[in-house]
Amino acid sequence: DTEVTQTPKHLVMGMTNKKSLKCEQHMGHRAMYWYKQKAKKPPELMFVYSYEKLSINESVPSRFSPECPNSSLLNLHLHALQPEDSALYLCASSPRQGSPHGYTFGSGTRLTVV
Amino acid sequence: AQTVTQSQPEMSVQEAETVTLSCTYDTSESDYYLFWYKQPPSRQMILVIRQEAYKQQNATENRFSVNFQKAAKSFSLKISDSQLGDAAMYFCAYRRPGMDSNYQLIWGAGTKLIIKP
Repeated sequence: DTEVTQTPKHLVMGMTNKKSLKCEQHMGHRAMYWYKQKAKKPPELMFVYSYEKLSINESVPSRFSPECPNSSLLNLHLHALQPEDSALYLCASSPRQGSPHGYTFGSGTRLTVV
Repeated sequence: AQTVTQSQPEMSVQEAETVTLSCTYDTSESDYYLFWYKQPPSRQMILVIRQEAYKQQNATENRFSVNFQKAAKSFSLKISDSQLGDAAMYFCAYRRPGMDSNYQLIWGAGTKLIIKP
């Protein structure tokens, strides 16, 4: 299995809703990443997990809450989002944080906040 | 601070022809990694090719090859025999070896590649 699987593919949520994005990989990678990507822009790093521990938080607002329950699974919990949070959310993994290899990305969740 | 510049917002090429996408970067480091990623309309970011700065030999992956000019800080991607499936946004990225936030991927703005049938 050489894939990163993200669910759901599309999500529409109201500003008072709570929802979660899910990311799963079975490649034995021990580093996992959340990125936010606006249309026609490169991805922006949000969080990095290394060996299931939060390693990097790029000053992301607390309405985004990451969680890494095990080495294969990464969640992003969403609460009280704003319309400007609408974007493509990409998950990625790599063998280790700092690995010289490129990252393996999922297909993303297209999030719309209404 | 490191920066990555892709000066071509959009490129088009006739199917079966060759196209070169430009990427320059700015760094004072001697050891680093360079990547080209492809993002088709399906949205998945796909690693096309990677280059380690200490390797002088240009990386090649089937129809994709790079021209890595370390002194000029240039890392262009050549796509030979262009196919319709090559249509996508192409992002050039740089990363230093290491683990903290200073060592994460730095992305260029992207180049949209259009393939004309």
